[in-house]
Amino acid sequence: GEDVEQSLFLSVREGDSSVINCTYTDSSSTYLYWYKQEPGAGLQLLTYIFSNMDMKQDQRLTVLLNKKDKHLSLRIADTQTGDSAIYFCAERPGGYQKVTFGTGTKLQVIP
Amino acid sequence: DAGITQSPRHKVTETGTPVTLRCHQTENHRYMYWYRQDPGHGLRLIHYSYGVKDTDKGEVSDGYSVSRSKTEDFLLTLESATSSQTSVYFCAISENNEQFFGPGTRLTVL
Repeated sequence: GEDVEQSLFLSVREGDSSVINCTYTDSSSTYLYWYKQEPGAGLQLLTYIFSNMDMKQDQRLTVLLNKKDKHLSLRIADTQTGDSAIYFCAERPGGYQKVTFGTGTKLQVIP
Repeated sequence: DAGITQSPRHKVTETGTPVTLRCHQTENHRYMYWYRQDPGHGLRLIHYSYGVKDTDKGEVSDGYSVSRSKTEDFLLTLESATSSQTSVYFCAISENNEQFFGPGTRLTVL
């Protein structure tokens, strides 16, 4: 079955780049997602990538995928205090509806 | 927000009582999901639906049932609530490989 792992906590200074890492286990074609959750709120989809891609960039967000190591990262450039939240990595094998989530990485941005 | 609402947003109940949570969507999405979120576990899928009257189990379905009698509503029922079902429950829909979440329901079982 699928397993998605993330580190629990990351602290960065405002203006620096943040890199949040995730590893996954599914070896078939898969979609990989990044979600953001602010306190008391639901999950907000930030971006996603299909496993035949290496990179995807969207404004301050860059997703990098290392298929060999099954490693996914989310880079946030010029991190702001509003980026403080929990970030979830998730995986969904192509053709299936079930999404497996990591436990989330809490990003703390220090002013 | 993909037009997803959940009700109630907060509920406190006692062990052994039945509880029903409602998810409502306004955009005719075929797929709907119920997750629970607990510290240290991320989100775990309880049940999902791929159409009216079509549902399937997720990884933590024991103690939960669902119903979908019309496209816009997906109900999650705890037949006899237990303290281990204290959690935050999220409904979601999927569209074009993207999944969108409702605001959540915080359920406390005393």
